[in-house]
Amino acid sequence: ETGVTQTPRHLVMGMTNKKSLKCEQHLGHNAMYWYKQSAKKPLELMFVYNFKEQTENNSVPSRFSPECPNSSHLFLHLHTLQPEDSALYLCASSQDPSGGVYEQFFGPGTRLTVL
Amino acid sequence: GENVEQHPSTLSVQEGDSAVIKCTYSDSASNYFPWYKQELGKGPQLIIDIRSNVGEKKDQRIAVTLNKTAKHFSLHITETQPEDSAVYFCAASWSNYQLIWGAGTKLIIKP
Repeated sequence: ETGVTQTPRHLVMGMTNKKSLKCEQHLGHNAMYWYKQSAKKPLELMFVYNFKEQTENNSVPSRFSPECPNSSHLFLHLHTLQPEDSALYLCASSQDPSGGVYEQFFGPGTRLTVL
Repeated sequence: GENVEQHPSTLSVQEGDSAVIKCTYSDSASNYFPWYKQELGKGPQLIIDIRSNVGEKKDQRIAVTLNKTAKHFSLHITETQPEDSAVYFCAASWSNYQLIWGAGTKLIIKP
């Protein structure tokens, strides 16, 4: 595997379900990001982890819970979602951003549909 | 809050012609301006970026210009080809951890 991978690619869930999105980066980066992408809207940064520590949480509802066990893996745990949470969820990684702004490398995303 | 406005939302050009996408930003402290290209079924990919100490940067058929006074920057694609069809996003950063993104431009290259 190369680059940034995300699983599953597609997910349909009911509002009472609990599911998890997984992201893995094979680039040796230290920072990982979760974004929400809705049609015709700017990408919304949700969470940032640097060296496994959460550095940003952009007022994301608690029904989204991130987990970063190491610098290569990032999870997004989903619980009691709403239909408006349906979107493409993108994971990205980069070099340590505390030293400057670096290129972010994105995975292909997980298309989430909440019924 | 900080925001980036991107225009147009859709751009259709004849193959071989040039395409220009424009963005304006609100925070004068922004100092890094990347452009990403997103093809169908893929995540965005960086195609070119510019920092605030530079006015223009070129890479083969693509170029970016920055006007700090007016707080706007533009992406220029010359000699467009079918593979240029995609959604293009601009972004601006004033913080090492945050990019503020535009809403995207769908570029259509007509054969």
